[in-house]
Amino acid sequence: GENVEQHPSTLSVQEGDSAVIKCTYSDSASNYFPWYKQELGKGPQLIIDIRSNVGEKKDQRIAVTLNKTAKHFSLHITETQPEDSAVYFCASRGGYQKVTFGTGTKLQVIP
Amino acid sequence: KAGVTQTPRYLIKTRGQQVTLSCSPISGHRSVSWYQQTPGQGLQFLFEYFSETQRNKGNFPGRFSGRQFSNSRSEMNVSTLELGDSALYLCASSYVPGDTIYFGEGSWLTVV
Repeated sequence: GENVEQHPSTLSVQEGDSAVIKCTYSDSASNYFPWYKQELGKGPQLIIDIRSNVGEKKDQRIAVTLNKTAKHFSLHITETQPEDSAVYFCASRGGYQKVTFGTGTKLQVIP
Repeated sequence: KAGVTQTPRYLIKTRGQQVTLSCSPISGHRSVSWYQQTPGQGLQFLFEYFSETQRNKGNFPGRFSGRQFSNSRSEMNVSTLELGDSALYLCASSYVPGDTIYFGEGSWLTVV
């Protein structure tokens, strides 16, 4: 089955700096890659997603890049703010298969 | 429109008991999936339902079961609870299988 590796497990950045979280996947049939943000005590919230026919997608301060050849995708957060502090999960899915999640990255933005 | 609703939000059970968790998907969504989240194991897929039929199942023992009703609402049941079943149980819904999934706030289960 699909395996998703996520790095780093923890990340501390100064407010205003950029944060990058990287994921790799194993199944070449995977074609959908969402990212979720989970705040303490809450369920994961979808923040951005990308499909395999697109190499990059942006939404304000958040961007995701996908390299299908290398089987990796990354989340980029620019101009980080304290409210960006949370756990971020990458995920992948091929067709109608189940979604497989990475192990999460705890992001801390230091004011 | 309302998001995914899970009940109860918090519950404490004793080892050996059973528990039933409920999930109401986003209006119009017909696919429901369940996940177990623990600090050590991350988000683990339990099962997915669509049109009252289980489509996919994760690697969990038979003590974990679920079902979906004709109105797309879903329940999951864990029998003979063990201490290791303590976790956050998350329900997610999508229009159809393969579409973007949206999570509820989860049900926190503590087994003592």
